[in-house]
Amino acid sequence: AQTVTQSQPEMSVQEAETVTLSCTYDTSESDYYLFWYKQPPSRQMILVIRQEAYKQQNATENRFSVNFQKAAKSFSLKISDSQLGDAAMYFCAYRSHRFTGTASKLTFGTGTRLQVTL
Amino acid sequence: DTAVSQTPKYLVTQMGNDKSIKCEQNLGHDTMYWYKQDSKKFLKIMFSYNNKELIINETVPNRFSPKSPDKAHLNLHINSLELGDSAVYFCASSQGGLGSDEQYFGPGTRLTVT
Repeated sequence: AQTVTQSQPEMSVQEAETVTLSCTYDTSESDYYLFWYKQPPSRQMILVIRQEAYKQQNATENRFSVNFQKAAKSFSLKISDSQLGDAAMYFCAYRSHRFTGTASKLTFGTGTRLQVTL
Repeated sequence: DTAVSQTPKYLVTQMGNDKSIKCEQNLGHDTMYWYKQDSKKFLKIMFSYNNKELIINETVPNRFSPKSPDKAHLNLHINSLELGDSAVYFCASSQGGLGSDEQYFGPGTRLTVT
């Protein structure tokens, strides 16, 4: 079974600075997808960015980028130019590539609460 | 138009009661899910349906029963509610069950059992 670990329960960053959230995962599969979700106080789950394991190039979405290290099974999220609206819980998640009866689920890490200060 | 909607958003009830949470998606997706987020914010899959067929059934007490009347709806019925059932329940949907298919989440239902 796959597991996802987020070792930072809380992080803090000053507005306009850069912060990196860590995520490691364990899997025996070679093809899969990794995601970062944001959950603000409204509790809506919002997809921030995703990475296909077969792609070597790191995904980027505006101020959000990832550092995907497949051999190390590491998938960190970098937020540049942090804004007050970035304050939220961030969840790293894993999903298998193959569709079988149990392959379509998202497996989440325990989350990192990000505070953004002035 | 809301893509994935859940009713109710908040539910407060007493132990031993039976309650239902409804989920509807207007995205034309084939696959729907229920996730549970506990008090420590940990999110875990409970069930998944593809075209009204149950495809994922994690280790969930049989007091929880999902029902999919059609592929746009996935309801969650909970019998004999217990204090430990207090959580936020999220419905989600995706086009198919592939890993590449993005899952869209509903706003969540906060269930409080007293």
